Amino acid sequence: DTGVSQDPRHKITKRGQNVTFRCDPISEHNRLYWYRQTLGQGPEFLTYFQNEAQLEKSRLLSDRFSAERPKGSFSTLEIQRTEQGDSAMYLCASSPTGGGHGELFFGEGSRLTVL
Amino acid sequence: KNQVEQSPQSLIILEGKNCTLQCNYTVSPFSNLRWYKQDTGRGPVSLTIMTFSENTKSNGRYTATLDADTKQSSLHITASQLSDSASYICVVRGYQKVTFGTGTKLQVIP
Repeated sequence: DTGVSQDPRHKITKRGQNVTFRCDPISEHNRLYWYRQTLGQGPEFLTYFQNEAQLEKSRLLSDRFSAERPKGSFSTLEIQRTEQGDSAMYLCASSPTGGGHGELFFGEGSRLTVL
Repeated sequence: KNQVEQSPQSLIILEGKNCTLQCNYTVSPFSNLRWYKQDTGRGPVSLTIMTFSENTKSNGRYTATLDADTKQSSLHITASQLSDSASYICVVRGYQKVTFGTGTKLQVIP
């Protein structure tokens, strides 16, 4: 297993377009998280899945954002009608249930630029 | 409100020198504290974890300390290398919540 992978690594889009990011977590990890990170800031929590259940959503996750994890494996994060303020790095992380004191294993991120 | 504050915001040091990064938190209840290293354009990677009963933990040239009474942690980097240039993020886990600091951006110059 090579860790958490995210695709695409970079996405440039025009305002108003929809974008979708994919995250493949470490295979035995039940928990999957999405974070957003802007320049010079720490990651901000967006949402969290345990297996296929979306257990928590941040207020940052407006109705233009939707995340799924249909089979409890990979996850997608879709942003509809993108705005320039959506430009950020979108980080996915996974962790095993109960073990490792909750260490988050991050992917390399998907950088979104909205023109 | 759970908060994690880091200082300094940024730091430039000469290669071979030591430095110390600070993290103050108000997260309660406290479960553990991690320091992550984030290279530019990459995802964060865990360096160390500190639980309530631990005061000091080392990982190579990185040494983390924790004072659970004052709710302070530090990350000391010894004999810095150019590859240490990165952001260092303090992350505190409470009962079920994880709170991230904004990070310290370290630049090591030759």
